[in-house]
Amino acid sequence: EAQVTQNPRYLITVTGKKLTVTCSQNMNHEYMSWYRQDPGLGLRQIYYSMNVEVTDKGDVPEGYKVSRKEKRNFPLILESPSPNQTSLYFCASSFGQGGYEQYFGPGTRLTVT
Amino acid sequence: QKEVEQNSGPLSVPEGAIASLNCTYSDRGSQSFFWYRQYSGKSPELIMSIYSNGDKEDGRFTAQLNKASQYVSLLIRDSQPSDSATYLCAVNESGAQKLVFGQGTRLTINP
Repeated sequence: EAQVTQNPRYLITVTGKKLTVTCSQNMNHEYMSWYRQDPGLGLRQIYYSMNVEVTDKGDVPEGYKVSRKEKRNFPLILESPSPNQTSLYFCASSFGQGGYEQYFGPGTRLTVT
Repeated sequence: QKEVEQNSGPLSVPEGAIASLNCTYSDRGSQSFFWYRQYSGKSPELIMSIYSNGDKEDGRFTAQLNKASQYVSLLIRDSQPSDSATYLCAVNESGAQKLVFGQGTRLTINP
């Protein structure tokens, strides 16, 4: 089954404790992206990747890091999480460039206390 | 930042009626337009894509695009309670590798 997977699905952590949210897709998509979704603010892009070793900032990159060492994986790293990073996070992937259909993972609900 | 505007709703429609969802966008260079459905707490699910002016039908869903007016809409015929969700309009940003999402319209279908 073609899909985007994320882990963990739910995470409660404390301020400053480094964490990684994994994202993997099995569709051989070149493009992958991370979004956060907050009430009243909609979906905002954090980082995206056009292909292996090619990443770039989205609209809200502060406090986040990403890497793309393999085509299928695109982890999101929070080096020192803060409460304002409490949010619902989605990974998405797309064949070709970012302006095509994007397919979303199930989401990760992160709470930072 | 290019903008995509949607009425946040809630839009309430009786079961069996036609639900009409609207979206306007600011980027005249946009070429790709998408509608996503998102149930509460779930991920956005792609339901329609449209690239050229006119109508595109898929089952009970029809997407309409008017590039001159910078307007895209989604019609849902024979609305069902299971159609109750938030509908997100997404538009590619010309010259950038990204989609710009609207804030979504919350649709409620009343039995």
